Amino acid sequence: GIQVEQSPPDLILQEGANSTLRCNFSDSVNNLQWFHQNPWGQLINLFYIPSGTKQNGRLSATTVATERYSLLYISSSQTTDSGVYFCAVATTSGTYKYIFGTGTRLKVLA
Amino acid sequence: EAQVTQNPRYLITVTGKKLTVTCSQNMNHEYMSWYRQDPGLGLRQIYYSMNVEVTDKGDVPEGYKVSRKEKRNFPLILESPSPNQTSLYFCASSLFRDRAADTQYFGPGTRLTVL
Repeated sequence: GIQVEQSPPDLILQEGANSTLRCNFSDSVNNLQWFHQNPWGQLINLFYIPSGTKQNGRLSATTVATERYSLLYISSSQTTDSGVYFCAVATTSGTYKYIFGTGTRLKVLA
Repeated sequence: EAQVTQNPRYLITVTGKKLTVTCSQNMNHEYMSWYRQDPGLGLRQIYYSMNVEVTDKGDVPEGYKVSRKEKRNFPLILESPSPNQTSLYFCASSLFRDRAADTQYFGPGTRLTVL
């Protein structure tokens, strides 16, 4: 089955710094999403981005489907950005299963 | 308010005692899904449903059952829970337009402990 790898697994930043999170996937996908799990466990969808580039405030994401990777950019990080960031993909195989990466744990220090 | 609700939020039970975790969404979504989250493993899909009476297995379906009799509800049933089913469970839903599952919205999670 499809493999989803995220890097780095852990990241510590000072408030105000920028960061790039990466998601690699091993097969063609028809759906890719980025989620943020806050320290209270709540999962919030950030982007639905099977291809192309999107921006939402300080966050932006780019997916290059032909090269099988997606990037999440966080600019001017804030302590509220702390938590775990997951990417999830659904394949083009005819089923509609989702596969999640194991996440990037981000801690932003004040 | 558009939302996915789960009940209960916390549950401690004993091995073998049947339980049901309910999930309901008020967004008229077609796609619903259950995940479990375990440390170091991320989220893994248990079952999903693309519409009423249509369900399919995810990556870790063993020991679980689901049903989709109404569009808004998708309960998760553990017929005989075991300690290895101790986990954090999430329900999610999405519109599923054009047969391509799009943005998923997650419930608040149910923390289950099986003794």
